[in-house]
Amino acid sequence: DAGVIQSPRHEVTEMGQEVTLRCKPISGHNSLFWYRQTMMRGLELLIYFNNNVPIDDSGMPEDRFSAKMPNASFSTLKIQPSEPRDSAVYFCASSPAAGQGITEAFFGQGTRLTVV
Amino acid sequence: RKEVEQDPGPFNVPEGATVAFNCTYSNSASQSFFWYRQDCRKEPKLLMSVYSSGNEDGRFTAQLNRASQYISLLIRDSKLSDSATYLCVVRNSFSGGYQKVTFGIGTKLQVIP
Repeated sequence: DAGVIQSPRHEVTEMGQEVTLRCKPISGHNSLFWYRQTMMRGLELLIYFNNNVPIDDSGMPEDRFSAKMPNASFSTLKIQPSEPRDSAVYFCASSPAAGQGITEAFFGQGTRLTVV
Repeated sequence: RKEVEQDPGPFNVPEGATVAFNCTYSNSASQSFFWYRQDCRKEPKLLMSVYSSGNEDGRFTAQLNRASQYISLLIRDSKLSDSATYLCVVRNSFSGGYQKVTFGIGTKLQVIP
């Protein structure tokens, strides 16, 4: 069981550059979440997919952020252009159920992004 | 008011002590509650779900108080390995199967030898 796989693990980029973060959810899971974690704000939900369809993107900070899920086994989070305030750890998580009930979200190891 | 509020701590306790964390939530219709544990520079992992009647897992006890809208986590006989950040999680379900999961900022626990 490989778990949720994120890449890259670390990314250092210059302000203004495009950044793409990648996520492979656990096979069979139909819910996928992108989170951002900072010391000041904690863990914030950016966007949530259900069966590859974006359900709630109200947490996406602004138009510079976009996320896609072209198929059940792959998602990307893109920041263009990146800014220093985007520096954070970005987590992807997947969950086995889209409906009601208690389900566990499994997290990837995160991508630590630093924008200089 | 934040949807989920936690005291960020840190809570510094000696080994063997009992420590309790509370977490309050603002949506009285919230349905599911969890505690996650996050070690330094690692991803969050599920510690335990919180059931209406309260539940226990070894040294850990979770309770839910719907009237006052808070959940709690009690750790007995603290171990050094319990040092971590404990995240309170609230899940709300909406019509059409949409779910919103909200994390608290986390409470940092440091168990001291």
